[in-house]
Amino acid sequence: DAGITQSPRHKVTETGTPVTLRCHQTENHRYMYWYRQDPGHGLRLIHYSYGVKDTDKGEVSDGYSVSRSKTEDFLLTLESATSSQTSVYFCAISEGQPGTGELFFGEGSRLTVL
Amino acid sequence: GENVEQHPSTLSVQEGDSAVIKCTYSDSASNYFPWYKQELGKGPQLIIDIRSNVGEKKDQRIAVTLNKTAKHFSLHITETQPEDSAVYFCAGKGDSNYQLIWGAGTKLIIKP
Repeated sequence: DAGITQSPRHKVTETGTPVTLRCHQTENHRYMYWYRQDPGHGLRLIHYSYGVKDTDKGEVSDGYSVSRSKTEDFLLTLESATSSQTSVYFCAISEGQPGTGELFFGEGSRLTVL
Repeated sequence: GENVEQHPSTLSVQEGDSAVIKCTYSDSASNYFPWYKQELGKGPQLIIDIRSNVGEKKDQRIAVTLNKTAKHFSLHITETQPEDSAVYFCAGKGDSNYQLIWGAGTKLIIKP
């Protein structure tokens, strides 16, 4: 299994509070991604990173920010959580660009915003 | 941009029978189509992929076919086993190399 660790795995929080999810990899892969998974929507890309301090928006980036200060860590922050951000969040990594090769996923972080 | 539709949303088959899941895509320029399997409580895992320069690819009991003219691709699982029960996702490459557009998923149930 690819060395990807997500934390926390489960979190319940209240509307308006900040939340940070962490993704840690031991594979030294260049590319890292944050997806959210919701019933009926498959996986949707929130943000991605193509190197340290190099990040960009995905298709559902509103309300989220990311940071990557080290190759191995990619943080996803919800500045002020809303109920619509209740979801399962997956971190993924890849050696090459995802349009051309395999993505390796973490086990997910389930976030509930009350 | 790319849009990927996946059918059916749930598929129930008898153990030993075959299962077929179909996806259609909208962008004729798309050239990479992976299939991922997601077991309960885990992240998706790549099981097979196909590029637009081939029409079919096989790996043991699983195969993927691609029809570029009709813009659809299908996952075929033969001799289904209980461990095939999972949610399967198709995807197509989006406008950039960083983006995959995912189908909504198919829950495959293998009946004993």
